[in-house]
Order: sequence, then structure tokens, then C-alpha cells
Amino acid sequence: DTEVTQTPKHLVMGMTNKKSLKCEQHMGHRAMYWYKQKAKKPPELMFVYSYEKLSINESVPSRFSPECPNSSLLNLHLHALQPEDSALYLCASSPVTGGQGTQYFGPGTRLTVL
Amino acid sequence: GNSVTQMEGPVTLSEEAFLTINCTYTATGYPSLFWYVQYPGEGLQLLLKATKADDKGSNKGFEATYRKETTSFHLEKGSVQVSDSAVYFCALSHYNNNDMRFGAGTRLTVKP
Repeated sequence: DTEVTQTPKHLVMGMTNKKSLKCEQHMGHRAMYWYKQKAKKPPELMFVYSYEKLSINESVPSRFSPECPNSSLLNLHLHALQPEDSALYLCASSPVTGGQGTQYFGPGTRLTVL
Repeated sequence: GNSVTQMEGPVTLSEEAFLTINCTYTATGYPSLFWYVQYPGEGLQLLLKATKADDKGSNKGFEATYRKETTSFHLEKGSVQVSDSAVYFCALSHYNNNDMRFGAGTRLTVKP
């Protein structure tokens, strides 16, 4: 089973709201990722967690706050977002940390910021 | 740094036509190479992969061969179906990168 699940599937929020995106995998993978994908573009890396520790933060604004409560869960907390943050947010996991592994993606959360 | 270049399209084919989507890469050593497919409104699905030179990845009638000498990983399918309409991303992973490096994506539309 190579399933990564994400909730919610769709999210609409105002610029003053606080919301969270959730990602879950039960494959025992030790690397988890958040990507942002704008329309007609490839995914762009936001954060990498290795063994539940944040290892990469690709200069993402502080209004995005990741959290890895355990080895199966990854959250992305959202606060005071801007309309340009509207995008598809993808979670991925990999059995291999440090690159060169296969990444398995979830279905994504489509976020609209009004 | 490591990067992937793929034909951007869009590509429009008739059902049962032959498909080729070109992908070339730049990297040191031996990266792992992937093709992902994204259907409308969905996330990325792993289509196939190859982890060393001359490996052929295959799945659902799609094939790609890891060519070290030409640094390429072209995607092919002998007979496309309407259900193959999607965006296809070539990608690489490497021990000196934590992320998957994606090409720009190629939108394929198959008409009946």
C-alpha cells in the first residue's frame, strides 16, 4: 500500500482565518514533504521532515507553520494567508531520507484564500 | 545543480496514436528518474521509475528507459486512450537534494 491521505480536499478561508491541513501515511516512511503547486506549474518544495524533525524550510513565509506530531502525521498550519497563497498543497512521503528515494504523493488540498 | 527539461506541449493526439514525451536531465552521478501523472483535479501519481542506467520502467503500457549516454528518460506509449489525458511530469531525485526536481510538465489531450 502506497497511500498518502490528505484532508480536507478543499478549503476556502479568509485572510484572517486560522486553518490546518493534515497529511497521513502508514507506510513507515521517515521522510515527509509539503509542496505547493500553482496552476499549470510543477510542485515547489516548502518543507521536509526527516525522522519527525524539520530538515528543510525553503524560505517559506512564517504564515505557513509545519508540524510533525508523529512519524505518520504531518500538519500545515495556516494563518493570515494572502490571496496569492491559493494553490494545491501536496503532501508526499518517502522511505528514504536525504534524497534519491521515491516520493509518494497524496491527492492534495485545494486552498482558496479570499 | 540538478534539473529536468521536458517538452512542454500541449500535446494533442488521436486515440490509438503513439506517444513520446521527451525528458532530459542534468545531474552528477546517477540520479533516480521518475514519471508522474496528474489527472485533472488530483494529486501526482507515480507512473514509473528507473534507478540506474539502462533500466526500463514500465506501467499501464507506458515505458521509459534510463539513458545515461544521452541523459534522457523519454516516456512512450504505443497506443494512447482518452483516459490517458493528463499532465505528465518527468522528475529526478538525487542524494544531494532533498526534493524531487520536476520538469515543467506536459499536458496530453487524447481525442476520440
